[in-house]
Amino acid sequence: AAGVIQSPRHLIKEKRETATLKCYPIPRHDTVYWYQQGPGQDPQFLISFYEKMQSDKGSIPDRFSAQQFSDYHSELNMSSLELGDSALYFCASSFRTGPSSYEQYFGPGTRLTVT
Amino acid sequence: GQNIDQPTEMTATEGAIVQINCTYQTSGFNGLFWYQQHAGEAPTFLSYNVLDGLEEKGRFSSFLSRSKGYSYLLLKELQMKDSASYLCAVNSNYQLIWGAGTKLIIKP
Repeated sequence: AAGVIQSPRHLIKEKRETATLKCYPIPRHDTVYWYQQGPGQDPQFLISFYEKMQSDKGSIPDRFSAQQFSDYHSELNMSSLELGDSALYFCASSFRTGPSSYEQYFGPGTRLTVT
Repeated sequence: GQNIDQPTEMTATEGAIVQINCTYQTSGFNGLFWYQQHAGEAPTFLSYNVLDGLEEKGRFSSFLSRSKGYSYLLLKELQMKDSASYLCAVNSNYQLIWGAGTKLIIKP
């Protein structure tokens, strides 16, 4: 079965650089979520999109932005990177109106290292 | 505020049974999830409870009491591969509010 795809899997950037993370949800899923997970921490919700519109906003810094495109893939854009942005970034998708409407399927994550 | 509590770490023996508890206080409730996460990997779905009671799925069962804001995950016939973090998460108004996770250590 198709899963959530994230690209790239690993990314190394320097301070003050920019990064773009991509997420391809499971086909027919209408909702995409972005999470940041630091070492030994629980996932922190950043932002979500439902049917290509921003749905909810969590603890996403102003330096970050995200959008969902017409093909439902989503991109997380991160600017002025800081050392503290080093983390695993997970994308998850769900089918909000389906039988398991609130179950989120997670991608493998992008490990971002800022040096 | 929104709060989810679960023990930080638990240790159990291979072949035994372990129960991981989770208590929550959230502004909305659309169900409670349990996820398993191995270090450096994505969380994987284990169970979903939206009504009170016990949901059984193989070696794993999950229980929910909405009036008490309480859930537990029961793991039977523990295997070494069950060593992982177990995350309790509440769907509150389409957002998942996560507990900090319980690190489960399985000893031979």
